[in-house]
Amino acid sequence: DVKVTQSSRYLVKRTGEKVFLECVQDMDHENMFWYRQDPGLGLRLIYFSYDVKMKEKGDIPEGYSVSREKKERFSLILESASTNQTSMYLCASSSFTGAYNEQFFGPGTRLTVL
Amino acid sequence: GEDVEQSLFLSVREGDSSVINCTYTDSSSTYLYWYKQEPGAGLQLLTYIFSNMDMKQDQRLTVLLNKKDKHLSLRIADTQTGDSAIYFCAESIRNDYKLSFGAGTTVTVRA
Repeated sequence: DVKVTQSSRYLVKRTGEKVFLECVQDMDHENMFWYRQDPGLGLRLIYFSYDVKMKEKGDIPEGYSVSREKKERFSLILESASTNQTSMYLCASSSFTGAYNEQFFGPGTRLTVL
Repeated sequence: GEDVEQSLFLSVREGDSSVINCTYTDSSSTYLYWYKQEPGAGLQLLTYIFSNMDMKQDQRLTVLLNKKDKHLSLRIADTQTGDSAIYFCAESIRNDYKLSFGAGTTVTVRA
């Protein structure tokens, strides 16, 4: 059974803290993605990576950075957490072949910044 | 650019059919997807349709695609309480890694 796991289901942090969200996939996928999900806004892409050490900005990269040192692991970093980063964060992976592009999602991390 | 729109809420009686609608703007979309998100979970692919198809049926699910109007719909027959979830429409463009998602339609099934 294919699996994308995220390090925490719930996380509470304080304003200004550095926050790490970890994602691991066991499908040997090339591509990995970080989204945030907010009611009424759907999923918005923060960053994605199509290879180890490669990253590209998505639609809302401000305030975030990412790291991909190994193929199976993709980390999202909030350098200095702010209250407007309170959200649900979803990680996904895919093996994109040029056409069909199914993404597999983790269960999400609900982050609250106080 | 991609822009996917869908209504935010749908309430349906158990046993009735649900129809969730979606519009997209990029005519070069190759695949269109429906994802389901159950409470407290991530998204899971429900079904998809290739852009050269008009219709796809999979058990209780029927996907209709109108390329001229850039309109996609998902029909769930005999809706059950387990169908209560958020449904996301998404499109992909050839040679692009990314998917573009709609805001999600929250479907509530009432007894």
